Amino acid sequence: RKEVEQDPGPFNVPEGATVAFNCTYSNSASQSFFWYRQDCRKEPKLLMSVYSSGNEDGRFTAQLNRASQYISLLIRDSKLSDSATYLCVVNDSWGKLQFGAGTQVVVTP
Amino acid sequence: SQTIHQWPATLVQPVGSPLSLECTVEGTSNPNLYWYRQAAGRGLQLLFYSVGIGQISSEVPQNLSASRPQDRQFILSSKKLLLSDSGFYLCAWSVLAGRYEQYFGPGTRLTVT
Repeated sequence: RKEVEQDPGPFNVPEGATVAFNCTYSNSASQSFFWYRQDCRKEPKLLMSVYSSGNEDGRFTAQLNRASQYISLLIRDSKLSDSATYLCVVNDSWGKLQFGAGTQVVVTP
Repeated sequence: SQTIHQWPATLVQPVGSPLSLECTVEGTSNPNLYWYRQAAGRGLQLLFYSVGIGQISSEVPQNLSASRPQDRQFILSSKKLLLSDSGFYLCAWSVLAGRYEQYFGPGTRLTVT
């Protein structure tokens, strides 16, 4: 079983709509959770950390469900510029970061 | 502010040729440094990490090696490239080692022919 699993998508979203997707992780002892954004043929960029109580950053909301071992990302009022691949990142048993393969989001006009 | 540089941006090399990719970080001291490889449609694979000058930890057995000759310089090398070495190579840095957020350089896209 992979440490971090994501639906590869693509999630096709009309501009202005809301999109949400999850990521599951296998290590119940994980303590660090992040979402990164990666544009085509570019480096991943940190979008936001995910805290136990959930957190927002503008139009982006991240949630953590420890019982079911998943994190989620919700994007409200989607913009064309939100089109990207979103990487879920979780620390493993050795304290290193494990990256999911990503969920592709395509925002259409 | 901190900046991370990688070069070259793109590289096409024949099988069996050597490789040297360089990464430098500006604006911070004693960063933790990482080399990752990303294959098409797959997650990032950690190759090496370093917590200080001359300290290298290898994560995956392979024909690659890494060195850290200076505090803010990290080099990825190979004596003889394989076809399977093709991929997107990313250098990253972090303030704290381990499970803390990392920041990536622009990457080097390597094609081995």
